[in-house]
Amino acid sequence: EDQVTQSPEALRLQEGESSSLNCSYTVSGLRGLFWYRQDPGKGPEFLFTLYSAGEEKEKERLKATLTKKESFLHITAPKPEDSATYLCAVQASGGRDDKIIFGKGTRLHILP
Amino acid sequence: ETGVTQSPTHLIKTRGQQVTLRCSSQSGHNTVSWYQQALGQGPQFIFQYYREEENGRGNFPPRFSGLQFPNYSSELNVNALELDDSALYLCASSTPYNEQFFGPGTRLTVL
Repeated sequence: EDQVTQSPEALRLQEGESSSLNCSYTVSGLRGLFWYRQDPGKGPEFLFTLYSAGEEKEKERLKATLTKKESFLHITAPKPEDSATYLCAVQASGGRDDKIIFGKGTRLHILP
Repeated sequence: ETGVTQSPTHLIKTRGQQVTLRCSSQSGHNTVSWYQQALGQGPQFIFQYYREEENGRGNFPPRFSGLQFPNYSSELNVNALELDDSALYLCASSTPYNEQFFGPGTRLTVL
């Protein structure tokens, strides 16, 4: 069964304390892996798309990496405004039909 | 601002009723997807439309149906509402590179 698991469920960091969020996946026919940021009461905000193992993408304090089984979102020297829920999703090809599977997210809280 | 809008913002219905939620995608985005997000959970994929045809569906019953129109707008229809249908419903439009841009969502409460 296709599955996406994110860990940890929640993470509290001090401002400036770097860390990584994990997204492990089991899916057939991976077409892409996506990272999003979601603030309370809002729709997810697109961050990155990764397509193949070894690929890396960066944006400000965030860096996403991909292996054949998992992806990491590295946060370097975070600031309080980085506090949000970070969601990982995979796009799987089921023959004619595509499907997109989200993890439950990691709630990140950065303390000033 | 992503350019994706949804209406209404909030909606209250009673069990057994029918509801239609609307989404206006960004111009040029031919793919639209709908998601259900329960509190504290990740979005659950309902279905996806490409050029007005459904081309992907998650594990949702047939009472969840949709339409996509040529003007980049779309609808999610839910019949015979159940209490468990209470959730945030998200619409997302996609670029040709599979980057999804989400709307702010419609909060549906079923009493």
